[in-house]
Amino acid sequence: GAVVSQHPSWVICKSGTSVKIECRSLDFQATTMFWYRQFPKQSLMLMATSNEGSKATYEQGVEKDKFLINHASLTLSTLTVTSAHPEDSSFYICSARDPTALGVNEQFFGPGTRLTVL
Amino acid sequence: RKEVEQDPGPFNVPEGATVAFNCTYSNSASQSFFWYRQDCRKEPKLLMSVYSSGNEDGRFTAQLNRASQYISLLIRDSKLSDSATYLCVVRAGGFKTIFGAGTRLFVKA
Repeated sequence: GAVVSQHPSWVICKSGTSVKIECRSLDFQATTMFWYRQFPKQSLMLMATSNEGSKATYEQGVEKDKFLINHASLTLSTLTVTSAHPEDSSFYICSARDPTALGVNEQFFGPGTRLTVL
Repeated sequence: RKEVEQDPGPFNVPEGATVAFNCTYSNSASQSFFWYRQDCRKEPKLLMSVYSSGNEDGRFTAQLNRASQYISLLIRDSKLSDSATYLCVVRAGGFKTIFGAGTRLFVKA
């Protein structure tokens, strides 16, 4: 299947700093990417949908000024957690949609980024 | 009510057992259905898509009941390596994907 990478795989930062997470589709062009957050023993929660060249669509309750998403190219989307606080500590996972993929499922997940805010 | 509901478990079964997971969804307009597997601290990985006619992949059988808005996953001859969290996943129109909270499975020797 298609490959999606995330960087970094884990990050520890001090409260108040900003953290940028990158999501790349390695062997396909992703017109749409998705950002999820998962707290321990909970489900993946969709934060926002990122479309190349346009503004991201945020889910209800997700602050767009806190979670900045940039989808500058067909292979890269970035999520910046601004002024991070301990409650932002979570597992952040991106997925990318391959519009050329055959079959019903054309969504591929990155390996995730574990963010810990001290 | 959650959009996708699953029994969180955990299910503790011996090797070789047959185990079944259920999932219900609330949006009758949902179009695509999947089971994903997630290992601890890893990203979810697609296990299988779920089709209306039911489908089987080796030891795994998935079924969909649109009238009852219910999805199931059956695992036969459980292996130790099947221990994981199984996520029921539903997609309505567009590409918005809703995940269930997952059912934890522990297979014991």
